[in-house]
Amino acid sequence: SAVISQKPSRDICQRGTSLTIQCQVDSQVTMMFWYRQQPGQSLTLIATANQGSEATYESGFVIDKFPISRPNLTFSTLTVSNMSPEDSSIYLCSGLGFANEKLFFGSGTQLSVL
Amino acid sequence: AQSVAQPEDQVNVAEGNPLTVKCTYSVSGNPYLFWYVQYPNRGLQFLLKYITGDNLVKGSYGFEAEFNKSQTSFHLKKPSALVSDSALYFCAVRDGAGGGADGLTFGKGTHLIIQP
Repeated sequence: SAVISQKPSRDICQRGTSLTIQCQVDSQVTMMFWYRQQPGQSLTLIATANQGSEATYESGFVIDKFPISRPNLTFSTLTVSNMSPEDSSIYLCSGLGFANEKLFFGSGTQLSVL
Repeated sequence: AQSVAQPEDQVNVAEGNPLTVKCTYSVSGNPYLFWYVQYPNRGLQFLLKYITGDNLVKGSYGFEAEFNKSQTSFHLKKPSALVSDSALYFCAVRDGAGGGADGLTFGKGTHLIIQP
């Protein structure tokens, strides 16, 4: 099984600034995804991180707000841009193993925007 | 489109009693079904999955789940609850026809509280 390291684990940011979250997998995964978990809510898929090309965004999420990179099979970043208090949430990185069956999750980044 | 319903926000069970956390799903193709558990301030941990084969699947920490195609359900069960089982449980589904290209769709989660 893959181990996913995510950092920072938490941050407190000012309105209007940007934060980049890093996700490192200890082995190759086929797909990588970014999820958001708002307080008291379930997980919502933000986008699929595609290696070497633009991410595929879900409805309601756009590249200008959540730019994503995936330069290789084991690393991805998510930036939360021009933050507002509504962006306060837990952001989770996940990877799909080569058996295309099970998602592995990082421990998440808890973001608070003041 | 795929969806998951967890009808209970919270389930309370006395320690030692059997527990059930309910989940129903909707997909257009064959369902890939999962249960994850989230402990406070931690990421999601995989419990078990159903892809194909036996309808009763066994997973981590003594949990099991039964796939029922006619009722489109995938309820999580454990014969004897432990206080340490108290956590937030998520059911998730992916359409098997998606070939792995789609992320999971999660239910809203069920808080499981085991009382000593």
